[in-house]
Amino acid sequence: SQTIHQWPATLVQPVGSPLSLECTVEGTSNPNLYWYRQAAGRGLQLLFYSVGIGQISSEVPQNLSASRPQDRQFILSSKKLLLSDSGFYLCAWRTGVSYGYTFGSGTRLTVV
Amino acid sequence: KNQVEQSPQSLIILEGKNCTLQCNYTVSPFSNLRWYKQDTGRGPVSLTIMTFSENTKSNGRYTATLDADTKQSSLHITASQLSDSASYICVVSDWGSQGNLIFGKGTKLSVKP
Repeated sequence: SQTIHQWPATLVQPVGSPLSLECTVEGTSNPNLYWYRQAAGRGLQLLFYSVGIGQISSEVPQNLSASRPQDRQFILSSKKLLLSDSGFYLCAWRTGVSYGYTFGSGTRLTVV
Repeated sequence: KNQVEQSPQSLIILEGKNCTLQCNYTVSPFSNLRWYKQDTGRGPVSLTIMTFSENTKSNGRYTATLDADTKQSSLHITASQLSDSASYICVVSDWGSQGNLIFGKGTKLSVKP
């Protein structure tokens, strides 16, 4: 069965520090992968999506970046975190022929 | 502009009661509409998904309806339980190459004993 793993679950980082959030998918191949952010009281915002290894599309200009070094691995990074980067980050995947999106359990990032 | 609006923003009901959550959208061209349940601090979990030709779909005590003409959807919860306390998010997908998702802000439901 397909599963999605996202870690860490919670993270507290000082302003200006780097960030690396990892997401991996099991039980499927060539998935479309997504990073979303959910700020308090707001809907989910698409940050990045990837349709294949090394292929990254950015939806929102910001100081975050994403990479897909392997087929089932999606990484969200930042060189220097800002206070405004605090939020709930969700990784999601779907296969090309499926309507269904499956979300990871999320990472609560607090930048202090 | 593609938008998804949900109402009410929050709702408190007593255990055992029914409730209905609303979703209006302006997404075009429309592909499908999903309802997700999101427990606090967790990722959203899919409840139902409906395409243009479907006007109702059930998942246990959850029943979603879709009126593609008026671009409205509702999620009806029957005989609510304490575990139904969560945010319910309406998500509409367009026919773009990536099936872009447009998220509503959600309705926060609290079920009290």
